[in-house]
Amino acid sequence: QQPVQSPQAVILREGEDAVINCSSSKALYSVHWYRQKHGEAPVFLMILLKGGEQKGHEKISASFNEKKQQSSLYLTASQLSYSGTYFCGALEIYNQGGKLIFGQGTELSVKP
Amino acid sequence: DGGITQSPKYLFRKEGQNVTLSCEQNLNHDAMYWYRQDPGQGLRLIYYSQIVNDFQKGDIAEGYSVSREKKESFPLTVTSAQKNPTAFYLCASSIGRDFSHEAFFGQGTRLTVV
Repeated sequence: QQPVQSPQAVILREGEDAVINCSSSKALYSVHWYRQKHGEAPVFLMILLKGGEQKGHEKISASFNEKKQQSSLYLTASQLSYSGTYFCGALEIYNQGGKLIFGQGTELSVKP
Repeated sequence: DGGITQSPKYLFRKEGQNVTLSCEQNLNHDAMYWYRQDPGQGLRLIYYSQIVNDFQKGDIAEGYSVSREKKESFPLTVTSAQKNPTAFYLCASSIGRDFSHEAFFGQGTRLTVV
């Protein structure tokens, strides 16, 4: 089952902040965040691992609540280049490794 | 430069035809994945492979087939059994099998049934 993202879409003015949430019905081992421009490949933003380790870009921040099976991505002082669709990916672990299951996406538009 | 390459960028298929989408990576990654993207539905996993000569079905494998004969290559065949194949297809790879590192995505193939 796909993680659920909210909101589905958000419109911002340059300089405003936004929070994108990701919630899973399954236990989260780690959460990935990606941003995709229309017709392009998704680009990596951040990984949040169990135990609090984070890997990603300095200007992006996120949280990971393992107990609540939730993650949030924080976009501050938004720029026009932040526009795109944001996806969270939840890691499901199997004997042979893991697979990444993505949410349905949050479309972010930043206006001048 | 290292990366992941998908071809072709655009593909047109007649009904009843099988078509194969190419995915090649020179990142020396063990794991490779195929996702399908439809508007409003995010990225849905079709197949994934953790090692050569082994692959697993994802959530929407029906009507698709894959092979993993070489570490660098993970082609996807869309068969005539796939009833609604028009979509944007993305291939990805990652270093390990546990996704503790980022996934790298190709530029995608847009498949249209005509």
